Amino acid sequence: DIQMTQSPASLSASLGETVTIECLASEDIYSNLAWYQQKPGKSPQLLIYYANSLNDGVPSRFSGSGSGTQYSLKINSLQSEDVSIYFCQQNYDSPTFGGGTKLELK
Amino acid sequence: QVQLKESGPGLVQPSQTLSLTCTVSGFSLTSYSVHWVRQHSGKSLEWMGRMWSDGDTSYNSAFTSRLSISRDTSKSQVFLKMNSLQTEDTGTYYCARSPLDLDYFDYWGQGVMVTVSS
Repeated sequence: DIQMTQSPASLSASLGETVTIECLASEDIYSNLAWYQQKPGKSPQLLIYYANSLNDGVPSRFSGSGSGTQYSLKINSLQSEDVSIYFCQQNYDSPTFGGGTKLELK
Repeated sequence: QVQLKESGPGLVQPSQTLSLTCTVSGFSLTSYSVHWVRQHSGKSLEWMGRMWSDGDTSYNSAFTSRLSISRDTSKSQVFLKMNSLQTEDTGTYYCARSPLDLDYFDYWGQGVMVTVSS
């Protein structure tokens, strides 16, 4: 199985700040990488697919980048509604997820 | 619009079998794959298996021996059946759709919480 290592595990940032979350795959996943946002008590919601494609309805302050084994999710101008847990997921092989990043407001 | 909804028992006894149903609307099971994903108490997500649009199935090797996924296209339902449940199987079970038989998940159900306990 492809292992996904996500960092940091938790993150505290201020409103308006730019935040970056990293995801490292154990092998090349050829940009087959998705990002999800999960709010407390809710199911995950797709933000980004194919490493940098924004899902419909997702605010443009979210962006994804990366290639090979290294990927990142950037949130520009952090809003209060962005407080969530974020997961990466590879879909190059049988799906596997990163351990999650809990984003809180400072 | 696209919807998925899980249903099933909230409590299962150890060693028993878990049976869950995912009822979908707004799309056809013959055009999209439906997956089962579980989550332990706010922790990370674990892919369990999928029902392909053509009716084939594939499973996470961690579950192969005790997991079965099936469907009834006439009722727009996908079923999960997992036997020999243990306390470690406690968690929230989601069904999720993937577009074009790709393996990222564009729509998720609300999830069903399953507790394995005597």
